[in-house]
Amino acid sequence: EAQVTQNPRYLITVTGKKLTVTCSQNMNHEYMSWYRQDPGLGLRQIYYSMNVEVTDKGDVPEGYKVSRKEKRNFPLILESPSPNQTSLYFCASSLGGFPYGYTFGSGTRLTVV
Amino acid sequence: AQKVTQAQTEISVVEKEDVTLDCVYETRDTTYYLFWYKQPPSGELVFLIRRNSFDEQNEISGRYSWNFQKSTSSFNFTITASQVVDSAVYFCALSEETSGSRLTFGEGTQLTVNP
Repeated sequence: EAQVTQNPRYLITVTGKKLTVTCSQNMNHEYMSWYRQDPGLGLRQIYYSMNVEVTDKGDVPEGYKVSRKEKRNFPLILESPSPNQTSLYFCASSLGGFPYGYTFGSGTRLTVV
Repeated sequence: AQKVTQAQTEISVVEKEDVTLDCVYETRDTTYYLFWYKQPPSGELVFLIRRNSFDEQNEISGRYSWNFQKSTSSFNFTITASQVVDSAVYFCALSEETSGSRLTFGEGTQLTVNP
């Protein structure tokens, strides 16, 4: 089954403790992206990657890092999480960006206390 | 700059009522795509439709229909004879040719269908 898998689904952590949210896709898609969803703001792009070793900032990149060492994986790293990063995070992949849409993962609900 | 506005934050209807979710977008591109996604209480994003800027034909899929009007920059979504299972947050999104990979989302509309 074609899918985007992100883990964990739920995570509670403390301020400053580094964490990684993993994302993997099995569709051989070139484009991958991370979004965060906050009430009243919709989804906003954090980072995206056009291919292996090619990444760029989205609209809200501060406090996040990404890497794309393999085509299928695109982890999101929070080196020093803060409470304002409490959010619902989605990983997504696309065959080639525009004009294709994205396939989204099931989401990771992160709480930073 | 690209922007998507969903002015209706919350809508509440009674089952079997028809309901329209509004979506207004801004773009300077002539080539773009518009999307609707559904987010049920379980949290995942479910793709509903993709429409390109050159195709203004309305689309119907079962109880769902979409009205795309470039003249008013709107891409509205109507659910006919709503059901409790339609309760969800609905997002409209825009993808522009010049923006490459980015999907710009609206704020979302929480639809509650009461029995």
